Amino acid sequence: KAGVTQTPRYLIKTRGQQVTLSCSPISGHRSVSWYQQTPGQGLQFLFEYFSETQRNKGNFPGRFSGRQFSNSRSEMNVSTLELGDSALYLCASSLALGHEQFFGPGTRLTVL
Amino acid sequence: DAKTTQPNSMESNEEEPVHLPCNHSTISGTDYIHWYRQLPSQGPEYVIHGLTSNVNNRMASLAIAEDRKSSTLILHRATLRDAAVYYCILRDVGSNYKLTFGKGTLLTVNP
Repeated sequence: KAGVTQTPRYLIKTRGQQVTLSCSPISGHRSVSWYQQTPGQGLQFLFEYFSETQRNKGNFPGRFSGRQFSNSRSEMNVSTLELGDSALYLCASSLALGHEQFFGPGTRLTVL
Repeated sequence: DAKTTQPNSMESNEEEPVHLPCNHSTISGTDYIHWYRQLPSQGPEYVIHGLTSNVNNRMASLAIAEDRKSSTLILHRATLRDAAVYYCILRDVGSNYKLTFGKGTLLTVNP
């Protein structure tokens, strides 16, 4: 069974731009979560989706948004990029809420 | 959110047992204790989880204190591939199952 895939793996943007990251969960998994990882703040929860509905949200500004499609694939969007948004963005999928999470390799975003 | 406290780092020798402690004194009745680990340059991976009773799986054992205010992840025989950051996380099933990662413990395994 294929694991969680994230695209793109690497991305370079400039301040003020927006970016969309994509996550394809493991087949059959209906829950997708997003995390931001930085050296200073560690792993921080962004949001979690189940059945196309956002079920939980972390403490991030409204510039960070996401959505989940009917096939469980998910995207997250960051608008008006800031230098501090440079991070590894990790997606995790699980069968349902509360189940073991399987993480993807992440998307490395660099904001210049 | 209930918080966890872990040592910043620990060292072990290969083929010896490792006991990774975690304190969670404000744990609530609906918090499950989860452990994940993150190997270098990889995303986190699930290790084990439990509620009240001790748990065993092929990767590790989880020992939970009777009052649930602390727990210990046990790696029975550490290998070099176990070198990673280990995260102890409380997951509240009464609060939409959010995972809140702390700083974790960096485990170094010496050959």
